Amino acid sequence: KAGVTQTPRYLIKTRGQQVTLSCSPISGHRSVSWYQQTPGQGLQFLFEYFSETQRNKGNFPGRFSGRQFSNSRSEMNVSTLELGDSALYLCASSLAFGGAAYEQYFGPGTRLTVT
Amino acid sequence: AQSVTQLDSHVSVSEGTPVLLRCNYSSSYSPSLFWYVQHPNKGLQLLLKYTSAATLVKGINGFEAEFKKSETSFHLTKPSAHMSDAAEYFCVVSGGTGGFKTIFGAGTRLFVKA
Repeated sequence: KAGVTQTPRYLIKTRGQQVTLSCSPISGHRSVSWYQQTPGQGLQFLFEYFSETQRNKGNFPGRFSGRQFSNSRSEMNVSTLELGDSALYLCASSLAFGGAAYEQYFGPGTRLTVT
Repeated sequence: AQSVTQLDSHVSVSEGTPVLLRCNYSSSYSPSLFWYVQHPNKGLQLLLKYTSAATLVKGINGFEAEFKKSETSFHLTKPSAHMSDAAEYFCVVSGGTGGFKTIFGAGTRLFVKA
C-alpha cells in the first residue's frame, strides 16, 4: 500500500507570496492532519480534516487554511508569507479523526523556505 | 487542557546499554498516548501506542513503554541501544472532548555512541 505523499518536497517563496501544499493520504484513510515543524517551536498542529470538513484547528493565524477533497486528498494554503513561515510542513493520514486510538501515518514533508 | 512534557531534550547512551526517554502528560481524561521516531531527513514513524488496554505497550524495534496513571508518565525504554536508534523521539498525547487535539512533546534527541 502506498504511503502518504506530499508535493512538492521543496519550495522557495518570497515574502508576501502565497503557497499551496498538497497531501495524498494512504488509500482508505479519510482523515488528514497538517503540522508545522520548526527548530524553535517543534511540531505544532495546524488542522485536521475528515470527510471534507475541518474537525480541529490549532493556534495559527487565518493566513493558514486548508481543504479536503472528496477523494480525501488535502491541500493547505498559506497566504502573505512571512519569514517565520519557513518550516517543514508535515501531513499525516489516519483512518478516523481525533487521533485517539488511530495512529497517524506521516508523509516526508514539504520544506518551505521563505526569503 | 492536555499537555505533554519530554523531560530530556538530549539523551546519550553507549551501544548495547539501556535507553530511557521520559515523558509526562497532563490530561483531564484518559488520553491516547503515542511515541513516534523521526530519523534525520525522514518522516515520522509510529513506535507504539497506548489506548487504555494493557499498560505495558510493546512497539517496533524492541521499544516498549509503560503507562503509569498515578505518575502521569509514559516513558519509553529499550534494553539495548543500537546505532540505528539514533534519532529524535516524540511523545504524543491525543484525544479529548470538545474537539480532539493531538499534541506533540518537544522531542528528545537520542545519541548512541559506539
